[in-house]
Amino acid sequence: QKEVEQNSGPLSVPEGAIASLNCTYSDRVSQSFFWYRQYSGKSPELIMSIYSNGDKEDGRFTAQLNKASQYVSLLIRDSQPSDSATYLCAVRGQAGTALIFGKGTTLSVSS
Amino acid sequence: GAVVSQHPSRVICKSGTSVKIECRSLDFQATTMFWYRQFPKQSLMLMATSNEGSKATYEQGVEKDKFLINHASLTLSTLTVTSAHPEDSSFYICSAKGTTTNYGYTFGSGTRLTVV
Repeated sequence: QKEVEQNSGPLSVPEGAIASLNCTYSDRVSQSFFWYRQYSGKSPELIMSIYSNGDKEDGRFTAQLNKASQYVSLLIRDSQPSDSATYLCAVRGQAGTALIFGKGTTLSVSS
Repeated sequence: GAVVSQHPSRVICKSGTSVKIECRSLDFQATTMFWYRQFPKQSLMLMATSNEGSKATYEQGVEKDKFLINHASLTLSTLTVTSAHPEDSSFYICSAKGTTTNYGYTFGSGTRLTVV
């Protein structure tokens, strides 16, 4: 069974700090990896996608992928209170198949 | 950008009744629709995958006769919760894949179902 594991948190960081979110997955043939942000009662919104080993940066966000270790992470620099949300890691095998989600990590950024 | 409109956003129904949830892709053709369910403080759990014009494929443990999925056109997919019970109360979210959107998928805004 394909599994995606995340630490549920809560992860608490002060405003301006770096928040580090981690995710591991069980299916070695996974090809695509996504980070979503979800506010309470809302649908997930895509933050970043990553497909190859290494780092991918987009503004304050950096996704890191290590397929050998089956590990994905998301770094949020200069964290803001508005970043407080649940962050979902999602993994996909072949293109066109469903995303498998982790349980999410709750991030709390204090001002 | 790609938009999926999901309705209703909230619905309260009596136990034993049926509820239909609609997801419409507004500016692209949704060849595949994924239906998820999310209980409080839990992750999104895949319920079923439907391809336009074909029968839906259900995940293990999901009753196909209770959760009826119709994907008769490239812009509309529906999920009907039949004979709803309080344990079906959840947040239901659709996610659409188009012919060209081969990377991230587009999510609907979700439906909060409460069965009383």
